[in-house]
Amino acid sequence: ETGVTQTPRHLVMGMTNKKSLKCEQHLGHNAMYWYKQSAKKPLELMFVYSLEERVENNSVPSRFSPECPNSSHLFLHLHTLQPEDSALYLCASSQDSGGTGILRQYFGPGTRLTVT
Amino acid sequence: KQEVTQIPAALSVPEGENLVLNCSFTDSAIYNLQWFRQDPGKGLTSLLLIQSSQREQTSGRLNASLDKSSGRSTLYIAASQPGDSATYLCAVWPERDSWGKFQFGAGTQVVVTP
Repeated sequence: ETGVTQTPRHLVMGMTNKKSLKCEQHLGHNAMYWYKQSAKKPLELMFVYSLEERVENNSVPSRFSPECPNSSHLFLHLHTLQPEDSALYLCASSQDSGGTGILRQYFGPGTRLTVT
Repeated sequence: KQEVTQIPAALSVPEGENLVLNCSFTDSAIYNLQWFRQDPGKGLTSLLLIQSSQREQTSGRLNASLDKSSGRSTLYIAASQPGDSATYLCAVWPERDSWGKFQFGAGTQVVVTP
């Protein structure tokens, strides 16, 4: 496989369930990101990992818990979600620009999450 | 805080017309600006990336310009085709943020009618 893959593509879960989203990148990048895309709203950055260390957490509720076991894999663990958490969750990866500003993000197809 | 605005929110044109999509941002201190395409229910595909020192980038029928001082970028798509129908997003990487903390606009939804 090439690029950035995400599983599952669709997920329906109840408010008391626990589930996990998975992202895998095959590009040799060293940074990975989780974004949330709600209807009619701009993409919201949730988490950034660089070299498997979390470098950014944009004040995301604790019911979302990321995990980055290595530079190719990224997980988003979900528990006790709310209906307003229903959205498209996108994973992206990039290579450190080394300060040149040439940082291009490559996105996966997303997981469409519905919380009932 | 950097804000990114895309106007119009939606656009419908007949096949063959040129498309002009606008993106404006409030803080000109950016590393780069990127244009993406998103098909319904799918992820984003990077179209063009313009570094802060550049004024434009071209790829096939696509041309993107950047005017940092006025906080504007324009994406031109020549001779539009029905396959160009998608949502187009612009994103800027602010200089004061690290690690690709792109700020995205809400997008322009484009429909090209045959």
